[in-house]
Amino acid sequence: EDQVTQSPEALRLQEGESSSLNCSYTVSGLRGLFWYRQDPGKGPEFLFTLYSAGEEKEKERLKATLTKKESFLHITAPKPEDSATYLCAVLNNDMRFGAGTRLTVKP
Amino acid sequence: NAGVTQTPKFQVLKTGQSMTLQCAQDMNHEYMSWYRQDPGMGLRLIHYSVGAGITDQGEVPNGYNVSRSTTEDFPLRLLSAAPSQTSVYFCASSYSLEGYGYTFGSGTRLTVV
Repeated sequence: EDQVTQSPEALRLQEGESSSLNCSYTVSGLRGLFWYRQDPGKGPEFLFTLYSAGEEKEKERLKATLTKKESFLHITAPKPEDSATYLCAVLNNDMRFGAGTRLTVKP
Repeated sequence: NAGVTQTPKFQVLKTGQSMTLQCAQDMNHEYMSWYRQDPGMGLRLIHYSVGAGITDQGEVPNGYNVSRSTTEDFPLRLLSAAPSQTSVYFCASSYSLEGYGYTFGSGTRLTVV
């Protein structure tokens, strides 16, 4: 069965303090690894798709990387507006999500 | 504005009642899905559809029914509500899952008492 595990569950950073979020996965046939951002009271918002090991994608202060067993979301010099829950998902026959990492960035 | 529209935003049901959560999208997406989100458990797939007239079960389908008579609409029916169905429900749609991921609605917060 496809499984997605995200760590840590919660992360508190000072503004400007870079860090990484982890997504480890077990899937029989990976068609894509997705990262979403979710703000309180809203639906998830699509950020990135990664397809193969070694691939990287960037958007502003976020960079996502992929290996054969895990993905990282690197956040460089975060700002308070980056505070949100970040969700990882894998696509095989359907899309399965991890429980998310709740990121808080303090000014 | 184009997107996924869910109604209602909030609902309280009594145990045993039935109701339909509405979902509509105006982007001509073939893929549509229903997820529930519970604290600490992430999003879990209830049912999904790859096109009008085609539906299939996800991880947690028991107690829910769906149908897809048009490309635009994908309603979720709770047959006999139970407290375990208290959750936030999200509808999502996609033109191509591999290329674009999902566009999500804003959710329906359901409480069953």
